[in-house]
Amino acid sequence: GNSVTQMEGPVTLSEEAFLTINCTYTATGYPSLFWYVQYPGEGLQLLLKATKADDKGSNKGFEATYRKETTSFHLEKGSVQVSDSAVYFCALSLRGAQKLVFGQGTRLTINP
Amino acid sequence: DSGVTQTPKHLITATGQRVTLRCSPRSGDLSVYWYQQSLDQGLQFLIQYYNGEERAKGNILERFSAQQFPDLHSELNLSSLELGDSALYFCASSVGVRDNSPLHFGNGTRLTVT
Repeated sequence: GNSVTQMEGPVTLSEEAFLTINCTYTATGYPSLFWYVQYPGEGLQLLLKATKADDKGSNKGFEATYRKETTSFHLEKGSVQVSDSAVYFCALSLRGAQKLVFGQGTRLTINP
Repeated sequence: DSGVTQTPKHLITATGQRVTLRCSPRSGDLSVYWYQQSLDQGLQFLIQYYNGEERAKGNILERFSAQQFPDLHSELNLSSLELGDSALYFCASSVGVRDNSPLHFGNGTRLTVT
């Protein structure tokens, strides 16, 4: 079946540290890949996406590259801020089907 | 603000009861999705509607049902509630159904079954 596996949290970093949250997927066909972020008390917001192999999605200093050979879509940011504290979800959708399959989420806490 | 409105924000009810959760999609979006978020199961896709018709079904229990009305708002009905149904229920909407347009999520309804 189709599934997404994220690195387990919680992750705690100091401000300005480098961030990596690992994400790997299993899918039939060629999925589109997404990172969503959930701030406390809010719904999920799309952070970035990539629709084909080698595409790089980026937004707000976050980046992720669609790696077909390793079936991965790791999220990175060079220098995190306290305001980046949230839960991050990796997700996929298959061509012709809009519904998203989510990973389990990774809670990120940034300390000043 | 995503433009997706969910009501109520919180709901507390007893086992065996029935509740209705409501979702108004973002203006112009025809597709509505329901997700359940719980600590042990994570985010689970329940069901999707497009322009009033059911398009995809996920891990939705038989005790749960949903519909999308002509004005495109959607309702999720949960009946014979059990303690394990306590969760955050999200609605999301998108423009289409196959075009990979992003999903916009509401802030959720937190259901507590006691």
